[in-house]
Amino acid sequence: ETGVTQSPTHLIKTRGQQVTLRCSSQSGHNTVSWYQQALGQGPQFIFQYYREEENGRGNFPPRFSGLQFPNYSSELNVNALELDDSALYLCASSSYGVDTQYFGPGTRLTVL
Amino acid sequence: SQQGEEDPQALSIQEGENATMNCSYKTSINNLQWYRQNSGRGLVHLILIRSNEREKHSGRLRVTLDTSKKSSSLLITASRAADTASYFCATAYSGNTPLVFGKGTRLSVIA
Repeated sequence: ETGVTQSPTHLIKTRGQQVTLRCSSQSGHNTVSWYQQALGQGPQFIFQYYREEENGRGNFPPRFSGLQFPNYSSELNVNALELDDSALYLCASSSYGVDTQYFGPGTRLTVL
Repeated sequence: SQQGEEDPQALSIQEGENATMNCSYKTSINNLQWYRQNSGRGLVHLILIRSNEREKHSGRLRVTLDTSKKSSSLLITASRAADTASYFCATAYSGNTPLVFGKGTRLSVIA
């Protein structure tokens, strides 16, 4: 157990809808990163939040957005869902400047 | 885009045997990490090796890094059925940069 929690565990949405995924970081960690993992692939970096600001972004369109709160928890929002957004969404917490990231169990999003 | 490529894509061995997985990457790195994932759930950090290290051990795990060949290997000795999982290598340029993962190796350990 890493101490990183994510909610919900599973989610089913239809194309065009919006979704919000949540992540609580491990105690003492101030940085949260979000990754998308398509079936049979490795995780791909979406963005990272540090001190409530976006601190790096991968090759994802603007309809993927996020927030980090003062308690370092984080949200991932996806607007105008597409079928290809179906994936496992993982968040990882870490201390800024420290290499190891600790992952939550993920949220499985299915877009129909 | 994927930075690392694991080899083989899938590996099936008997309990008690050793399992070796390889990872190649494309650009210079600060460190390389190995993660395990059970049944499409969260990733568990196994071991980190820095670019100035050549070999590292943790329990039944042995990791090597060859920066001249841009490759790493993960050896699991005396494998157990509980080691059945997907294993990913991930590279990082520094402590704050995102991890770049390969596609993973699916390991099946048969009891």
